[in-house]
Parts: sequence; structure tokens; C-alpha cells
Amino acid sequence: GNSVTQMEGPVTLSEEAFLTINCTYTATGYPSLFWYVQYPGEGLQLLLKATKADDKGSNKGFEATYRKETTSFHLEKGSVQVSDSAVYFCALISNFGNEKLTFGTGTRLTIIP
Amino acid sequence: KAGVTQTPRYLIKTRGQQVTLSCSPISGHRSVSWYQQTPGQGLQFLFEYFSETQRNKGNFPGRFSGRQFSNSRSEMNVSTLELGDSALYLCASSFSGDRDQYFGPGTRLLVL
Repeated sequence: GNSVTQMEGPVTLSEEAFLTINCTYTATGYPSLFWYVQYPGEGLQLLLKATKADDKGSNKGFEATYRKETTSFHLEKGSVQVSDSAVYFCALISNFGNEKLTFGTGTRLTIIP
Repeated sequence: KAGVTQTPRYLIKTRGQQVTLSCSPISGHRSVSWYQQTPGQGLQFLFEYFSETQRNKGNFPGRFSGRQFSNSRSEMNVSTLELGDSALYLCASSFSGDRDQYFGPGTRLLVL
């Protein structure tokens, strides 16, 4: 079946540091890949997505590239801010007519001023 | 455009009771999915409804059920509540044929 493996947290960084959160996946076919963010007390917000190999998703300074050869979708940001503190989830949807999102375990990110 | 709304936001029940949660999708969205979030199991898919029909189902016992109405609003029901059902229940909606799912704020259920 499908699975998503995410970098273990928590991750603590200083403001303006470079961020990488690793994500690898196992899926049949060509899944669509997503990063969601969850702020305290809230639901999930779609941060970015990629639907085919070599696609780069980007939003709010965050980027992730769909790498089929390494089955990875790592999240990066060049300069993090305190407001980026949240839990980040990597997820996929299989390409076979099933709209179920399979999530990673989530990575809690804390940015220190 | 209004986002996904879920009611109630918080709920406290006792073991053995049943509960009904409601989700109103974004206008024009016909697919509604439900997820359970717990610290131990993370985010798990419950079921998905499209045009009043359950299209996909996760690995949850029959105590968990749902339905969708003609206006795309959805409800999920949990009968004979157990302590382990305490969780954040998230609803997500998407436009037909689009895989972007938009989540509501969730209903936090506490079973005592």
C-alpha cells in the first residue's frame, strides 16, 4: 500500500535559518504529492503540491520538488520566520481513482527569534 | 468564498454514547472526506463521499458511519463511543476532479 515517511521532529531553528524537512514515499503508479501545514488549534492548510515527476511546488517561500528517482518530496525554505512555527505534513494521493490522502507523521517546527 | 465549516468545534461525551459531527464544504465542492487525527495514530482516513455516495472507506469499525446530503453537506456518526475515539475529526472538501483538499478547523471530541 501507499506510505509516507517523514523526518522525525521536533525541529528547532533560529530565525532566518535554512529549513529542510525530508519526505520519502512508497506508492504504486504516479501519485500526487502535497505538503500541508497545521497551526496550533487549527485544521490543515494546503501549502504546496506537485502532480508529476520534476514538478516544483512553491508557496510563501517554501518549495518542494517531486523526485521520482529517489521517491522524495523534501520541503525547503531559505529563510524561516517565527510565524512558520507549525506542524508540517507530507502527503500523497494515489493515481488510481482513490482520493484518500495518505499522510506522514508530521514534523513540528519551532522557530526561535 | 467561505471555507469548510465544521460543527460543533468541541464536544465532550461519555463512553457508550453516540455523536454526530457536521461538515459544510466549500460552495461548489462535491467531494467530502473525513479524517481522524490522534497523537498516537496521526492522520487516518475515515471515508469519502461524492454526490451522496460513499466512494472510499478507510479501516475503521462499523461504529463509524457517514452520509452526504444533496447540498453536499456531510455528517459523520460514531456510535457506542470508546475512550480511544477521543480525537480531532477533520473534514476536507474538494472540487470534482481536483485533488486539492481543503480542510475545516476540525471537531475536537473528548470521550470520558
